[in-house]
Amino acid sequence: EVQLVESGGGLVQPGRSLRLSCAASGFTFDHYGMHWVRQVPGKGLEWVSGISWDSGTIGYADSVKGRFTISRDNAKNSLDLQMNSLRVEDTAFYFCAKQYNHGWYYFDSWGQGTLVTVSS
Amino acid sequence: SFELTQPPSLSVSPGQTASITCSGDRLGDKFVSWYQQKPGQSPLLVIHQTTKRPSGIPERFSGSNSGNTATLTISGTQAMDEADFYCQAWDNGAYVFGTGTKVTVL
Repeated sequence: EVQLVESGGGLVQPGRSLRLSCAASGFTFDHYGMHWVRQVPGKGLEWVSGISWDSGTIGYADSVKGRFTISRDNAKNSLDLQMNSLRVEDTAFYFCAKQYNHGWYYFDSWGQGTLVTVSS
Repeated sequence: SFELTQPPSLSVSPGQTASITCSGDRLGDKFVSWYQQKPGQSPLLVIHQTTKRPSGIPERFSGSNSGNTATLTISGTQAMDEADFYCQAWDNGAYVFGTGTKVTVL
């Protein structure tokens, strides 16, 4: 069974940094692209960033480009999101999501999410 | 930028058919996925590659896509289907979600 467990969320002041992590199990981690998707409480879903199985392809939403950095450690089955220069509008639940397969651009498994609150 | 638009809400009676639309420029040229999200839960994939159901998803869920509009159809809607639904497609390196539709079964 695929399991994705996010951690690292919390309350942070605007302009500060936070690092999210996602621990993966139940599948061959280094075969799949991985992503972060966020959701402002009560609002819709927004793709944040994604990374290919070998870290060779990385993408970011325009809203976070230049501030967020995605990375993965295949030896540890983990996915990270380094968030710098945080803004109030970055407040959201952040979900870790597994890409279905190479060349198919959707998500077949999701974590439960971790809440990031950016506030002074 | 590429956008996907859904109706904000939809009400359906138990046993009836719910049709949720998702509109975007030339969406019919793309594969579409649909996610169901119940309160306090993470999204669940219910349709992928426009028409396919993942293992464990009931047959009452089906998908189609033509022109500028994709549709998720729930046939014989049940109370347990009450949730938010999001369409999603991939465009030029970005994953785009629809605005979401709240389906109420009453």
